[in-house]
Parts: sequence; C-alpha cells; structure tokens
Amino acid sequence: DQQVKQNSPSLSVQEGRISILNCDYTNSMFDYFLWYKKYPAEGPTFLISISSIKDKNEDGRFTVFLNKSAKHLSLHIVPSQPGDSAVYFCAASSNRDDKIIFGKGTRLHILP
Amino acid sequence: ETGVTQSPTHLIKTRGQQVTLRCSSQSGHNTVSWYQQALGQGPQFIFQYYREEENGRGNFPPRFSGLQFPNYSSELNVNALELDDSALYLCASSLDRSDTQYFGPGTRLTVL
Repeated sequence: DQQVKQNSPSLSVQEGRISILNCDYTNSMFDYFLWYKKYPAEGPTFLISISSIKDKNEDGRFTVFLNKSAKHLSLHIVPSQPGDSAVYFCAASSNRDDKIIFGKGTRLHILP
Repeated sequence: ETGVTQSPTHLIKTRGQQVTLRCSSQSGHNTVSWYQQALGQGPQFIFQYYREEENGRGNFPPRFSGLQFPNYSSELNVNALELDDSALYLCASSLDRSDTQYFGPGTRLTVL
C-alpha cells in the first residue's frame, strides 16, 4: 500500500515556464514533507521541505504548497531551467521520525 | 566538507552469497539511514542507526543487518542474497535523528 503517491511518471515543460509536480499521501500522521531531486548515477539531493504547520514554503525558484485537508502537496519551479531535468521524489515522515517514505518519483524534462 | 560516500560503486554477486556495503557519513553527522531503491521505485527505508544503535527498521527481513562504528561510518550486510535484492542501495546521513538526510551516490548491487 503506497502511502506517498506521485501519479505522473513523467512531465515535460518548456524552458522558462512553470513546472508543477504533484504528490498525494494517505497517512494523516505525516507531518513533515520533503522533495528530493535525483540525477542519474547520483544519490537524491534534498531540495525543499515543509512542516504540516505551514501551507507554503519558498526557496528561490522552488515553492512547495501543502493542502492538508486534501492530503496533497505540490512543488512549483519557476522559471524552469535545463538543469532542472531530473527525477523528483516526494517524501514524508511523521514527527520528523527516522523513516522517510518516498513516492516513486516523477521524471521532469525541461524542453529547450 | 566531505559529503556522504559509499563503496563499492557497483557489485555483482550470485544467489546465496553475502555482501557488505559501506558508507561514510558527512562530517559531524551521527545518524545514518539505509534505503533500497529498486528499478522504477522510490527509495525504501531499511533501517537507521543513531550513535551506533539501531533506531528504527522498515519491512526488511533479518538477513538485512547493519552496523554503525564509533566514527559514525556504517555497513549494510545482506545474507543469503536473492535475485530481488538487486537494487541501488543508498545511505543517508544526518546531523541528528530528525534532521535532513543527505544521500550518498549509492551502490548498485546485481544478484545473478
């Protein structure tokens, strides 16, 4: 049973436009959410996180939105750049616990 | 500051054999977590070590075991290898148990 779901395996976005990656979760005990970015042959790199007491967190071109009632979060990248092409993993944990539960990832392609 | 490193990069084993994977934590980090990433999936939590003690475990059988050393480096041992153990094994270190986890590049294990 997948507790963190990324329903889009891939997404293509024009360079300069907004990329929106979506993530849904089922476990209402989750209170901390993260996005990781992964290039081939590298480990996941931490991108941005959000605590359940907030509904938005911004860091430069990256913004994460959390809708607790819908159990949904999204990552917005504006403007999208070629270096943003990678696999993006949504992840969640409860009480910032030991275990982080990852989604299957979304492959983002930034088109020139 | 040195990041998280893992060795070896690649490894090929046969069914029934045993394997040891190694991880060096980022400087100053006392917590290490291990994940298994099968093809097309997100990383799955195996276990976490905090100050040399196991601090949480995912749904993996006892043939997956680990160690953390006084310098906070770590080992993942897998006994009686099965074909389904073929995956990318990632370790991640964090400053403390509930802090952001930083991943190494992974060890790709192939079981024939």
